[in-house]
Amino acid sequence: DAKTTQPPSMDCAEGRAANLPCNHSTISGNEYVYWYRQIHSQGPQYIIHGLKNNETNEMASLIITEDRKSSTLILPHATLRDTAVYYCIVRVADNFNKFYFGSGTKLNVKP
Amino acid sequence: DTAVSQTPKYLVTQMGNDKSIKCEQNLGHDTMYWYKQDSKKFLKIMFSYNNKELIINETVPNRFSPKSPDKAHLNLHINSLELGDSAVYFCASSQDSHQPQHFGDGTRLSIL
Repeated sequence: DAKTTQPPSMDCAEGRAANLPCNHSTISGNEYVYWYRQIHSQGPQYIIHGLKNNETNEMASLIITEDRKSSTLILPHATLRDTAVYYCIVRVADNFNKFYFGSGTKLNVKP
Repeated sequence: DTAVSQTPKYLVTQMGNDKSIKCEQNLGHDTMYWYKQDSKKFLKIMFSYNNKELIINETVPNRFSPKSPDKAHLNLHINSLELGDSAVYFCASSQDSHQPQHFGDGTRLSIL
């Protein structure tokens, strides 16, 4: 059911920016892109979401391409605590709020 | 302080038993969810309740029965447990059906 494709794993040096890509080539006009992460043994944590425009909050930035077929989550200064599985999800802004999680990207932040 | 809390954190039991997992949220949210994460780490939605009313039921076996006594609680009862029920079960909540979901830390269910 997942409508997104992500690389299975990525490495990033501590203090550097982590850029996590996501392909969602079949996204519809009313579908939002959400990013969550799951740190080992914890529940998923909401990071950011967007529809068309780029978004930024205290955790990350979300860059969505103009055709909306792909997006990139940017952690500007990765720390060891950012090591986690990052999930890119698309969902329709309807009344059901169903999230379909794919396999995600395991981000390894290294000292 | 815990926003979404689940009990128990670990549950080990035998095949055929009946067990319940409890979930409570103190965020004042209207919508609550149950997810299952299997051994391959895929996270799948099972149920969703909005203001105590079932709105999502993702073809889950009827051995699984959610119950929402009030909008701050969504419990999951499982009858006749099977080996394939071994997984981590996550509860989540959101302000409404359009807002991001907040997850608990999961209940690790192991069937012997």
